[in-house]
This record gives sequence, structure tokens and C-alpha cells, in this order.
Amino acid sequence: GESVGLHLPTLSVQEGDNSIINCAYSNSASDYFIWYKQESGKGPQFIIDIRSNMDKRQGQRVTVLLNKTVKHLSLQIAATQPGDSAVYFCAETSGYSTLTFGKGTMLLVSP
Amino acid sequence: DTEVTQTPKHLVMGMTNKKSLKCEQHMGHRAMYWYKQKAKKPPELMFVYSYEKLSINESVPSRFSPECPNSSLLNLHLHALQPEDSALYLCASRLAGGRADTQYFGPGTRLTVL
Repeated sequence: GESVGLHLPTLSVQEGDNSIINCAYSNSASDYFIWYKQESGKGPQFIIDIRSNMDKRQGQRVTVLLNKTVKHLSLQIAATQPGDSAVYFCAETSGYSTLTFGKGTMLLVSP
Repeated sequence: DTEVTQTPKHLVMGMTNKKSLKCEQHMGHRAMYWYKQKAKKPPELMFVYSYEKLSINESVPSRFSPECPNSSLLNLHLHALQPEDSALYLCASRLAGGRADTQYFGPGTRLTVL
């Protein structure tokens, strides 16, 4: 299940389950949204992105959904594996220079 | 080579020390970034260099001094830091003119200020 701690929400799932990580964004002018995965001791790694003129995009085992009406972004991971354990950040941009990151969610996958 | 490298991996320094962090990429990217990341928090943008010129400084204290000596190298000079500056410092790069989402991140330098 999901718990919201003082600083970092955590989602705990069993291996093989599907995971859904949510993100609320704030800037209506943002036109590009990205999900990053950050493993312990590493920098953020690009997972998948979506343009604001789309509402769904699929990659390998991952799907990103965008609801512009309520400014909500989600990342679905199918058949979650222990190697998926990491902190996941959403990010938004409305230009060609800077990213604004969301708060992050820690995903814990138990065997 | 699709990698951003950062050295050192870990750094411990006193408040009176002067040290530097180094970031390198050989992807031909002409935009480079410094971010600061505290534990369990998202990265916070500090500086952006575009074509070796500083284009964005997010009101970072002057005890952090960035430098971009050439298109492959980005340094962050540290002087008179405070314990609250302890964090993971991330470097990123992208093609200039490319979208911000095409940033490649390095592994970071874990900085501890005593």
C-alpha cells in the first residue's frame, strides 16, 4: 500500500504486481512531462516522457498517463520487479532550459 | 559515449576549506547544469551554462562558484561552506537548443561539510 511520510511518499508492492505512481503538477503552461528513476547513489535516469497534446504513452513495461484537466500525471509499471525499487520523480517543463521536479515517490518491491 | 562523469564521488570538507567538484561529458552537449539534492527531496537547479556562458543562477550563495572552462567540462568551486550545504550535487548536460527533458545526469558527488 501507499504511505505518506513526512518527506517522501512510499509505495510498497509485491514482485509481479502492477505499480501506479502519481504526481500532481502545478504549471498549466507546461508542455512536456517526464518520469525519472533514481536508484540509491545514482543520478536520475530518464524513463519515459509525454507531450501535453497526448494523454497516454506506452514504453516497455511502463505507461504514462496525463490528465491536463486536473493536472495529474501517473506512471504505471507492469509486473514490477525488485530492480524497479527506486525513487521516482515526475518533472515538467514549459521551455527549453529548465525542469521542475515533483516531490518524488519511493517504490519498494518485495520478492 | 553517452555518459556524464563526476568527480569525486564523495567529498568531506571543513567549513574553512576550498574544494572543487568536476563534471565532464563528451557528447557534444553545449548546455550544462548543476543541481543540489538533499536526502528524500527532488533535485534543485543551481546553475545553467549555455555555450560556456552562465545563463541561469538560481540565487545561489556566492560560496558556490561555477566555472565552465570548455564545452566538455563544468566545475563547481566551493569555499566557506556551511553544514547545511551537505547534499548530493548533480551535474547534467543536454544538446543546446534541445528540450530540457533531454538532460543526461551524472551520478553525483556526495558532499559532507563538517
